[in-house]
Amino acid sequence: AQSVTQLGSHVSVSEGALVLLRCNYSSSVPPYLFWYVQYPNQGLQLLLKYTSAATLVKGINGFEAEFKKSETSFHLTKPSAHMSDAAEYFCAVRTNTGFQKLVFGTGTRLLVSP
Amino acid sequence: NAGVMQNPRHLVRRRGQEARLRCSPMKGHSHVYWYRQLPEEGLKFMVYLQKENIIDESGMPKERFSAEFPKEGPSILRIQQVVRGDSAAYFCASSPSGGTSGAASTDTQYFGPGTRLTVL
Repeated sequence: AQSVTQLGSHVSVSEGALVLLRCNYSSSVPPYLFWYVQYPNQGLQLLLKYTSAATLVKGINGFEAEFKKSETSFHLTKPSAHMSDAAEYFCAVRTNTGFQKLVFGTGTRLLVSP
Repeated sequence: NAGVMQNPRHLVRRRGQEARLRCSPMKGHSHVYWYRQLPEEGLKFMVYLQKENIIDESGMPKERFSAEFPKEGPSILRIQQVVRGDSAAYFCASSPSGGTSGAASTDTQYFGPGTRLTVL
């Protein structure tokens, strides 16, 4: 079975600082990996996804993530935080075979201070 | 191109009543997924449907919960005799395809804004 662990339920950064949100996965087969963002009282928006092509994936709003099989990680980064990045971020995994059920982590709330 | 639509956005029910949550997938999408988000938790998969078929309901509680996706109209998630523990945000997602037991699809799941159910 697949699972995802997101380290840190809250991450605080200053505007302009590097954003690093951690995600480690567990999967017995090669995974597909996703990062979604959720703004207050809204649905989830896809930031980026890894589907076994390039290991460095670029997404929207300047975010990117690198798939590292040896570390079973898929950390999300952004070089310079904006106030508008404040939101909840979810990492999710699913297998590359079978049905598309997503397994989500518990989320990391990103706080951006001026 | 309208996104995934869910209604109502907010639903208040008293214990013992029924809750019906609706989801209209994106145009051209025939695969629908329901997820539940409890307070301070991530989303948990409930059920995956195609038109007129339930493909995977491994995340559905065994009692009181049911889902359908008829040939015409939206997908419906129905909760009978609601209890306070059913209070949560329920999200629907859709995709153009869903993969099969032997081959996956790389299609993205697009999420709706959710229905926030409060049980008094």
